[in-house]
Amino acid sequence: EVQLLESGGGLVQPGGSLRLSCAASGFTFSSYAMSWVRQAPGKGLEWVSAISGSGGSTYYADSVKGRFTISRDNSKNTLYLQMNSLRAEDTAVYYCVKEAYCGGDCRTPSEFDPWGQGTLVTVSS
Amino acid sequence: EIVLTQSPATLSLSPGERATLSCGASQSVSSSYLAWYQQKPGLAPRLLIYDASSRATGIPDRFSGSGSGTDFTLTISRLEPEDFAVYYCQQYGSSPQTFGQGTKVEIK
Repeated sequence: EVQLLESGGGLVQPGGSLRLSCAASGFTFSSYAMSWVRQAPGKGLEWVSAISGSGGSTYYADSVKGRFTISRDNSKNTLYLQMNSLRAEDTAVYYCVKEAYCGGDCRTPSEFDPWGQGTLVTVSS
Repeated sequence: EIVLTQSPATLSLSPGERATLSCGASQSVSSSYLAWYQQKPGLAPRLLIYDASSRATGIPDRFSGSGSGTDFTLTISRLEPEDFAVYYCQQYGSSPQTFGQGTKVEIK
């Protein structure tokens, strides 16, 4: 069974930093691109960032480009999201999601399945 | 980026009724790369439909998807009590992938 378990959320002041982790199991982690998707309280879904299976290619939404960095450690089956210069509008539940198979440094058009349970990031003074 | 507009915002129906949810795209969605997700309060979204009309593993056949180009539909043939939730469409044919704002299916 595929499982994704996020951690690292919490309360941080504006301008601060936080690193999220997503521990994956039940599939060959290095063969799949992965993404982060967020949901502000009471709002809809927003794709944030993606990374290829090898980690060689990364992708970002304009809203986080230059502030967030996605990475992965395939030896630990773990996905990360380093978030710097955080703003109030970054407050959201952050979900880790698995994309389609694409072995290597590639990313193919893909639905998101499954989703982790999410971790809440609150940016407030 | 492609903007997805879902209608209606809220659908009030009774168990056993048919639900029809719409998702309109501002540009044609490449290769019908459109998905539907269900989200219940406090839980993560769950994939229902991908590639516009393919049901995800374990999804009951009362859920069906159709459409192409700029107009897509999710149909729930007979609503069960557990189907009352928020539904989102997503396009993944163009970067960045985008989501609709959601349709809430509530008990009438």
